Amino acid sequence: NAGVTQTPKFRVLKTGQSMTLLCAQDMNHEYMYWYRQDPGMGLRLIHYSVGEGTTAKGEVPDGYNVSRLKKQNFLLGLESAAPSQTSVYFCASRTSTDTQYFGPGTRLTVL
Amino acid sequence: GQSLEQPSEVTAVEGAIVQINCTYQTSGFYGLSWYQQHDGGAPTFLSYNALDGLEETGRFSSFLSRSDSYGYLLLQELQMKDSASYFCASRDYGQNFVFGPGTRLSVLP
Repeated sequence: NAGVTQTPKFRVLKTGQSMTLLCAQDMNHEYMYWYRQDPGMGLRLIHYSVGEGTTAKGEVPDGYNVSRLKKQNFLLGLESAAPSQTSVYFCASRTSTDTQYFGPGTRLTVL
Repeated sequence: GQSLEQPSEVTAVEGAIVQINCTYQTSGFYGLSWYQQHDGGAPTFLSYNALDGLEETGRFSSFLSRSDSYGYLLLQELQMKDSASYFCASRDYGQNFVFGPGTRLSVLP
């Protein structure tokens, strides 16, 4: 049981480049979330999904897109990276009783 | 909109009890949960309240008052390993979560 995994763990991009972050969970959870965390701050919700084929916007969705083609995977895309998107990105899956299980995070630097 | 407030820092000694407060403003509030995060690590779930009252899980307890838009996390028998950041998070009926800014707990020997 791997729980929630994230790929990659680290990435450096140049401004304007694109990339996709992959989140996978093996707990059969319906709900999945993408957050970003800037130094010394709380987590901010980017997008979330309440089931396969569904996505919704969170607090800070601009500059990001997501897809949930399979129940176990939730992809976060940056089409044209900006320095303001330098952050640590966490994915989480959630039980029906609000317990969120977080992945180890992806540290992204945009130069 | 949604917003949460927590103290930025709390300090306590080993073996003591500490309470971390959280006030929230959440449209369509459903529940309040608590997470622990050590430096460089991922958040881990501690406790959750959807109804008023106290929930106890080992050394950790969490309390919610929906009428006061207020909750707290109580940590008992503090240990050095409890030094970490603690976040409250509110959920609305739309499955949307908002996290507080976090409280950094320092446990002194």
